[in-house]
Amino acid sequence: NAGVTQTPKFQVLKTGQSMTLQCAQDMNHNSMYWYRQDPGMGLRLIYYSASEGTTDKGEVPNGYNVSRLNKREFSLRLESAAPSQTSVYFCASSADSPAEAFFGQGTRLTVV
Amino acid sequence: GENVGLHLPTLSVQEGDNSIINCAYSNSASDYFIWYKQESGKGPQFIIDIRSNMDKRQGQRVTVLLNKTVKHLSLQIAATQPGDSAVYFCAEVISNFGNEKLTFGTGTRLTIIP
Repeated sequence: NAGVTQTPKFQVLKTGQSMTLQCAQDMNHNSMYWYRQDPGMGLRLIYYSASEGTTDKGEVPNGYNVSRLNKREFSLRLESAAPSQTSVYFCASSADSPAEAFFGQGTRLTVV
Repeated sequence: GENVGLHLPTLSVQEGDNSIINCAYSNSASDYFIWYKQESGKGPQFIIDIRSNMDKRQGQRVTVLLNKTVKHLSLQIAATQPGDSAVYFCAEVISNFGNEKLTFGTGTRLTIIP
């Protein structure tokens, strides 16, 4: 039972490069989320998808785009990476409420 | 340069002792609160929650106390074990017309000393 799977686990990008963080869940959850976790700060919501086919901005969406490819998959794209996007990114999913979300193991992204 | 790494409050506890981790919140409109455990290199994991109309809730080896007067929340872990070493953080949940918004705290790093 994999739960929420994120790839890659680690990534180093140069400023201006683009990349997509992948996330998949096998729990048949309706809702999926992308958070970032920075030192000295709590988790912050980047984007979420309440159901297949819908996406909405969270607290810190600037510089990111998302795609809810199907019910299982929710990807996060950085079109032009900046050092300020150096962070640990967590994908999560829930049947309904974000408070009931299961988290993936995270992607540690460094932008140099 | 300045180390802006994980400057979290830390708590070291002898194995077998009890630990208390604290969290302050600011919003009186919070509907409920959640405690998470995050082990090194892993994602947060739900431990226990408590409704705002409750003062105390108990789980397996954990107890949450909520003091709404001073907007303070605590997580007590009884008979700590090495596997309890992790970062613990709270989150407040506000419901608004069926939508829930979570605000996460920064956390406390708990280290269990064998």
